[in-house]
Amino acid sequence: AQSVAQPEDQVNVAEGNPLTVKCTYSVSGNPYLFWYVQYPNRGLQFLLKYITGDNLVKGSYGFEAEFNKSQTSFHLKKPSALVSDSALYFCAVRDMNDYKLSFGAGTTVTVRA
Amino acid sequence: DGGITQSPKYLFRKEGQNVTLSCEQNLNHDAMYWYRQDPGQGLRLIYYSQIVNDFQKGDIAEGYSVSREKKESFPLTVTSAQKNPTAFYLCASSAEGGLPTEAFFGQGTRLTVV
Repeated sequence: AQSVAQPEDQVNVAEGNPLTVKCTYSVSGNPYLFWYVQYPNRGLQFLLKYITGDNLVKGSYGFEAEFNKSQTSFHLKKPSALVSDSALYFCAVRDMNDYKLSFGAGTTVTVRA
Repeated sequence: DGGITQSPKYLFRKEGQNVTLSCEQNLNHDAMYWYRQDPGQGLRLIYYSQIVNDFQKGDIAEGYSVSREKKESFPLTVTSAQKNPTAFYLCASSAEGGLPTEAFFGQGTRLTVV
């Protein structure tokens, strides 16, 4: 069975500092990996994805993530956080041989001014 | 504008009643998904569909039913068998064929049992 783990319920950083949100996954085959952000009472907005190719993926709003196959991780990073980055972040995984898309429990990011 | 439309935005149900949540997409996507979101539990997959007239149970399908009679529509029925239906429900779709795209989400339906 495939699964996603986001080990931190909350991440707190000061504005201007680096932001990291952790994600590890488990699939039987090769993974497709995604990061999404959610603002209160809204749907999810796509940030970035790893499908194939370069392990370092760059996405929207200055976010990036690195696919690490040996550690089965796909951590989300931003070099300099903004107060407006405060939101709920979700990591998701699909096995390349299946349509099932599974999400982690989410990490609440708070960036203080 | 292309996108996914969920309706209604808010829904109230009496105990013992079935209710149907609507999800329509005009993105010409093949795959569609239904998720339930509860505080602290992330998104849990209820059902998903790869093509018309085909769908699979997700991780928490008990008490729910779906149909996929048209490519653009994937309605979810919350039956009286679902013991704790109060939650935020999200529908999504993605394109397939070749490399997959990311899933696009609707704005959600908040269901409350009264």
